[in-house]
Amino acid sequence: EKRLVESGGDLVQPGGSLRLSCAASGFSFSYYAMNWVRQAPGKGREWVSSIIASGSSTHYLDSVKGRFTISRDNSQNTLYLQMTNLRVEDSAIYYCAKGDSDFWSGFDLWGRGTQVVVSS
Amino acid sequence: ETTVTQSPAFMSATPGDTVSISCKASQDIDDDMNWYQQKPGEAAIFIIQEATTLVPGIPPRFSGSGYGTDFTLTINNIESDDAAYYFCLQHDILPYTFGQGTKLEIK
Repeated sequence: EKRLVESGGDLVQPGGSLRLSCAASGFSFSYYAMNWVRQAPGKGREWVSSIIASGSSTHYLDSVKGRFTISRDNSQNTLYLQMTNLRVEDSAIYYCAKGDSDFWSGFDLWGRGTQVVVSS
Repeated sequence: ETTVTQSPAFMSATPGDTVSISCKASQDIDDDMNWYQQKPGEAAIFIIQEATTLVPGIPPRFSGSGYGTDFTLTINNIESDDAAYYFCLQHDILPYTFGQGTKLEIK
C-alpha cells in the first residue's frame, strides 16, 4: 500500500526552527517529485515547496524562500522540510504529497499531516 | 499567481441527489486541474485527474468536467459515505494553487 507519514510538527517560538520529515512506502520514492503543502485553520491548502525526483531542482512559495529548505534522501525514502526563522503565520498542518511524475506535476498521494504551531 | 475560486464553501445534500462543485482559475490552465476528497482524520484521496479522468478505484458516481478556466466536480446519486471536504488543485503554473474547499454534508 502506498503511504506517506509526516512527523516533526511541534510548538515552536517565533524565530525558531523545525525539521519536518515524510516517510514514504509502497512505491519507488526516487522516481517521483515530492511536495509540501500546508493548511492554516479556516483556510484552504497552500502549496509550500516542491522537489523533483533527482533532488536537483526545487521551488518555493515566495513567503518561505530563504527560510525553508526542501530536501530528500532517496536511499531512505524520506522527504524533509527544514524550517527556520518561523513566523506566527507559518502555523498550519503541513502535508506531504507525492507527485505523479519525476518532474513538476500534480499530486496523487497525500499524508495525514503534521501540526506546526508558532507561538510565544 | 493563478487564483482558484472554489464554490460553494458548504453544501448539504440528501442521498440520491446530484451535486456540483465549481473551481474557476484566474487564467487558462488547460486541463491541469485535480480534485481530492478528504474525510476527518484521514489522508486526502485523489479522485479526478486532468480535469476529467476518474482515478482508478473511485466510484463512477464521481465525474469531472471543464477546460481552460472553468472546472466542475459532479457527484451523482450521492451516498452518505460522500460526506467529506472536497478541494481542487491547479498544477499548470507554479506556484500551484488550491481552491478554498467545499464541505459536503449529507442529511
